[in-house]
Amino acid sequence: QSVLTQPPSTSGTPGQRVTISCSGSSSNIGTNYVYWYQQLSGAAPKLLIYRSNQRPSGVPDRFSGSKSGTSASLAISGLRSEDESDYYCATWDESLSGVVFGGGTKLTVL
Amino acid sequence: EVQLVESGGGLVKPGGSLRLSCLASGFTFSNYPMIWVRQAPGKGLEWVSSINGGSGYIFYADSLKGRSTISRDNAKNSVFLQISSLRAEDTAVYFCAKGDQSSIWYTLPDYWGQGTRVIVSS
Repeated sequence: QSVLTQPPSTSGTPGQRVTISCSGSSSNIGTNYVYWYQQLSGAAPKLLIYRSNQRPSGVPDRFSGSKSGTSASLAISGLRSEDESDYYCATWDESLSGVVFGGGTKLTVL
Repeated sequence: EVQLVESGGGLVKPGGSLRLSCLASGFTFSNYPMIWVRQAPGKGLEWVSSINGGSGYIFYADSLKGRSTISRDNAKNSVFLQISSLRAEDTAVYFCAKGDQSSIWYTLPDYWGQGTRVIVSS
């Protein structure tokens, strides 16, 4: 069981907006920044969102992150077929003194 | 351009040990924490260990505490992960990653290497 809770899967059609939730606690999301990663099949993870809502250069502005209390969300607007991937949230956990990841969400573009 | 290249993976018998290496380039290595993350076949990402730039702050996941040692050589832009008493459940791709923020040890990965595969099997 992962410390951060994500839905195992979600789906959407091209052009649609989807959101992926990430639920934690006061010792992790409630205290620290949330990071989001995209992992295409067989590839290394790629940073999508850092410090809860910042986008690295090169990441389309279709991707956005937010955090409120002990939960965070990744939103993908204008869904495209190439967005089909696994998505992970992560943060630092003060109680565990370590990085914690969500279990991952598999996004299918129908 | 930030580059991280892992090496040292392979097939190891249960109870054996392994030393993984990660060679970094494209940034001031000594300023940044470095992080190891693993992914078992078909599973999600699992944090393994973190080390800050000066090696003064080191953290391990409970699953590897007592069996692993993270270290770095700033002169050689390299970070290492030694794992002993390997078990079948340690079978995974091990990724090396650079920490996002230089000023804190509890930072998260930004750049990732391609990973090195470790298979623990008799």
